[in-house]
Amino acid sequence: EAGVTQFPSHSVIEKGQTVTLRCDPISGHDNLYWYRRVMGKEIKFLLHFVKESKQDESGMPNNRFLAERTGGTYSTLKVQPAELEDSGVYFCASSQGTGFPDTQYFGPGTRLTVL
Amino acid sequence: AQSVTQLGSHVSVSEGALVLLRCNYSSSVPPYLFWYVQYPNQGLQLLLKYTSAATLVKGINGFEAEFKKSETSFHLTKPSAHMSDAAEYFCAVSDITSGTYKYIFGTGTRLKVLA
Repeated sequence: EAGVTQFPSHSVIEKGQTVTLRCDPISGHDNLYWYRRVMGKEIKFLLHFVKESKQDESGMPNNRFLAERTGGTYSTLKVQPAELEDSGVYFCASSQGTGFPDTQYFGPGTRLTVL
Repeated sequence: AQSVTQLGSHVSVSEGALVLLRCNYSSSVPPYLFWYVQYPNQGLQLLLKYTSAATLVKGINGFEAEFKKSETSFHLTKPSAHMSDAAEYFCAVSDITSGTYKYIFGTGTRLKVLA
């Protein structure tokens, strides 16, 4: 069974540009989470999808961040325009949603550097 | 609100020595706790989880953790460190108060194993 995959693994952009991160969850997992780790800090929650619906986006930093989950499958996280403080590692995780506590399976992350 | 605190951002042990990584939690409700490990260039991998069934939890790769309510702790241990244990370790609590079960992470502990 394939794990959670993320693309790209690294992205280097300039301030003001747009970047789109993609996450493919484990097949059949209804729950999809995005987290971010800024260097030296803890991993922080950004938002949570159940299928294609946003359940909780309380962790989204501001309206420069837009997340979508088309058809309840893969998800994208767009940052537009990117700022220096957006640099960090963005993790995606998925879980089945069939029980509690639900183990989340993480992808390898996308390292975003904004210059 | 729930939170976790990991004491020690860096821990060094000799190969064959005891590994002890500390995690303390704060929660107004019975917590659900997790330990994840991140090896270089990989995603977070679940080591073990506490779901209130047993206070001593055994995980993969010889790791275990004991839930101590009186001390609000969930420390991770391994009797004998191996070079392959060098990685970053994260303690997390599932935020059941939010309804999304998102994870709240500690700041991580980087384990170094000395030959």
